[in-house]
This record gives sequence, structure tokens and C-alpha cells, in this order.
Amino acid sequence: AQSVTQLGSHVSVSEGALVLLRCNYSSSVPPYLFWYVQYPNQGLQLLLKYTTGATLVKGINGFEAEFKKSETSFHLTKPSAHMSDAAEYFCAVSPPYNQGGKLIFGQGTELSVKP
Amino acid sequence: KAGVTQTPRYLIKTRGQQVTLSCSPISGHRSVSWYQQTPGQGLQFLFEYFSETQRNKGNFPGRFSGRQFSNSRSEMNVSTLELGDSALYLCASSLPLTGAANEKLFFGSGTQLSVL
Repeated sequence: AQSVTQLGSHVSVSEGALVLLRCNYSSSVPPYLFWYVQYPNQGLQLLLKYTTGATLVKGINGFEAEFKKSETSFHLTKPSAHMSDAAEYFCAVSPPYNQGGKLIFGQGTELSVKP
Repeated sequence: KAGVTQTPRYLIKTRGQQVTLSCSPISGHRSVSWYQQTPGQGLQFLFEYFSETQRNKGNFPGRFSGRQFSNSRSEMNVSTLELGDSALYLCASSLPLTGAANEKLFFGSGTQLSVL
């Protein structure tokens, strides 16, 4: 069965510092991987996704993630944190033979940004 | 283009009651998925509908059911509510033209259900 593990339920960084949110997955087949962000009292918004091709994926708001098959990882990074990045971030994997709509999410990482 | 709309935004029910939540997808989207979000269990997939047919189902008891109408709007129903059903219920829509597993999901803001 596929699963997603996000290391660290809470991450705190200073404004301008590097953001690194960790995600490891388990999958018996090449996965589709996603990062979503959830702001307070809102639904989830897609930041970026990996399907095939280039392993470094660029998303919205300056975020990017690198798919590393050998490490089964898909960590999310941003070079310089902004106060508006404070939110909860979810890594997700799409199961094989998924006809659509079903994602397996990690437990989430809450990002705090200090001024 | 309007986003995914979920109604109502908040609901308070008592144990044993039933509840119906509504979701209107983005115009043109034919797939609607439902998720339950709780602090303890996180985000869990409930089911997905495409062209009025349930295609995917998560590991929830039969008290949780859903349906989709010809205009792609969807409803989910929870019968015989339990305290543990208190959660944020999120609806998401996507095209997908061919049922692709890598389709982007567009989420609504959710319905916060409290069971007393």
C-alpha cells in the first residue's frame, strides 16, 4: 500500500530563511506526487506536482521540489521565506491505477514564519 | 470562473441524526471527490464520483454515502452521526477528461461539522 510520511509536524523559520519541508513516500510503482498548501479556514491549493520527466519541479509562490527515487523523497523548498508562507503543507501521492480524485496525504506540516 | 462551492459552511448536529452536505464543482469539471479532515487522522479520502458514478471509495463505513447529479453537483450524506464524525469535510473537483490520476484537484473551503 502506498503511504506518505512528512517529517516534522511543525517547522518554524525566520523571514528570509530557507524553507525545507520533508516528505517521504512508499510506492511499488513510479508515483505521482503533489504538494498542497492550506491557509486557515480555506481548502487546499496545489503548489506543484511531479508526474514524469524532470525531477526538479517548480511551483507557485517560489516553491520547488525534487523527486529523488533512490531516497523515495519529494522535499519541498523555498529559498527565502515570507510571512505569507505561514500555512499548513501537505504532501500527497496518487495511488496506482487511480482513475482520478483519490490522493493519499501525509499528516501535514505547519509552517510558522517569524519576523 | 467560480471556484468549488460547499454549503453549508458550518453545521451542528447531535448524535444519531443524519446530515447532507452539498458541493458545486467548478463549471465543466466532471469529477468530484470528498475528503474528511480531522486533527488526529488528517486528510482521508471518502469517495469520488464521475459522471454520476462512484469510481473510487475509501475505507469508511456505509453510514457515509454520496451521489452526483447530472450537472456534476454532488452531495454526501452521513447517517446515524457519531461524535467521531466531527470534522472538516472537503470537496474537490477536477476535469479529468480521461480519468488521469495526475489531475490537479481544486478544493472548496469545506463544511465544518460538529456532532454533539
